[in-house]
Amino acid sequence: GENVEQHPSTLSVQEGDSAVIKCTYSDSASNYFPWYKQELGKRPQLIIDIRSNVGEKKDQRIAVTLNKTAKHFSLHITETQPEDSAVYFCAAYSGTYKYIFGTGTRLKVLA
Amino acid sequence: EAGVTQSPTHLIKTRGQQATLRCSPISGHTSVYWYQQALGLGLQFLLWYDEGEERNRGNFPPRFSGRQFPNYSSELNVNALELEDSALYLCASSFQTTGGGGYFGPGTRLTVT
Repeated sequence: GENVEQHPSTLSVQEGDSAVIKCTYSDSASNYFPWYKQELGKRPQLIIDIRSNVGEKKDQRIAVTLNKTAKHFSLHITETQPEDSAVYFCAAYSGTYKYIFGTGTRLKVLA
Repeated sequence: EAGVTQSPTHLIKTRGQQATLRCSPISGHTSVYWYQQALGLGLQFLLWYDEGEERNRGNFPPRFSGRQFPNYSSELNVNALELEDSALYLCASSFQTTGGGGYFGPGTRLTVT
């Protein structure tokens, strides 16, 4: 069936460094790829998304890249800050099926 | 714009009982998704409703069921509760045709004792 693989499961970076989280999807019909940030005890919050007709999208310190051929998409966070510490989920959406989520990456930004 | 709302916030039930969870999507969103998030784990897809119909379901037993009402709000029912059903149940809504949105509600924390 459809699935989304997400790596790494945990990531620790020094404050100010960059963090990269990668996802691979299996359904070639997927056309929308959101990223969510979930802080402890809170709901997942949509932080950035990208559609299949775009290769890259940036919003301040956050960027997402998409390689449709390889079925990869990645989240890049630059100049990380302690408040970036959270669990990040990627997801792939296919109009036929549903949102399929990655397993999550626990990001820790060390001050 | 009002966000996705869920009720109740917390629900405590005993094993064997039934639980009913409710979700109201963002205005204009026709799709509602239900997810189970057990403590420390990822999001497991439960059910997808759109335009009043169940479009897809995840790998959960039939005692997990639900429905979507004409105003696009949705209800998740869990029958014959088991201890392992204890989890945070999240609802999300989106535009079905584009997938855009995907906004989550605050969740219902279900505890089965």
